[in-house]
Amino acid sequence: DAGITQSPRHKVTETGTPVTLRCHQTENHRYMYWYRQDPGHGLRLIHYSYGVKDTDKGEVSDGYSVSRSKTEDFLLTLESATSSQTSVYFCAISGGSPGHAKNIQYFGAGTRLSVL
Amino acid sequence: AQTVTQSQPEMSVQEAETVTLSCTYDTSENNYYLFWYKQPPSRQMILVIRQEAYKQQNATENRFSVNFQKAAKSFSLKISDSQLGDTAMYFCAFMSMDSNYQLIWGAGTKLIIKP
Repeated sequence: DAGITQSPRHKVTETGTPVTLRCHQTENHRYMYWYRQDPGHGLRLIHYSYGVKDTDKGEVSDGYSVSRSKTEDFLLTLESATSSQTSVYFCAISGGSPGHAKNIQYFGAGTRLSVL
Repeated sequence: AQTVTQSQPEMSVQEAETVTLSCTYDTSENNYYLFWYKQPPSRQMILVIRQEAYKQQNATENRFSVNFQKAAKSFSLKISDSQLGDTAMYFCAFMSMDSNYQLIWGAGTKLIIKP
């Protein structure tokens, strides 16, 4: 267990509303990632962080922003949710802490987001 | 840019049979990592096995083994003595050694084990 928690687990919201998903880790891993999972696409990287206040864009970053003000928390924000952002969102961590290999990503349980 | 291709959208086998899932990738790099992750209906992503490209020996984890063909850029997963609990989506993923540990994912193969 890599000590990673996503909240909320499920959310239904309306088009145009802001949404924030939270990823919390207890293992002091340096790297954190946000993915979305859609049928036929596997996982696609939205944004990632390589340290506190250090973030970068992934493959599908449009319409999303992130923040990491402390090691343990990585927030994903949809400023104005659209129906195309209906998806399952996964947070992952890596980078090595005692007992964990650096090159392995450990995943949270996912958040199912529906934008109506 | 690296890409990962899983050409089998869905497979099904009888319990206790052996099944092989295919994965090919494209990269110009020489050093990298390859992974197979499993996603059961619970939705949790679980690491099954990993392979370092600089190692010639194929990785094994109990009933799971890989056939890593570096020149062919092929990384297949073999599941021996398949069990009902192996029913899941299986994803192949590539990691460059210089990518902040980012993963590039295949689209997945849905594996169904029939009783």
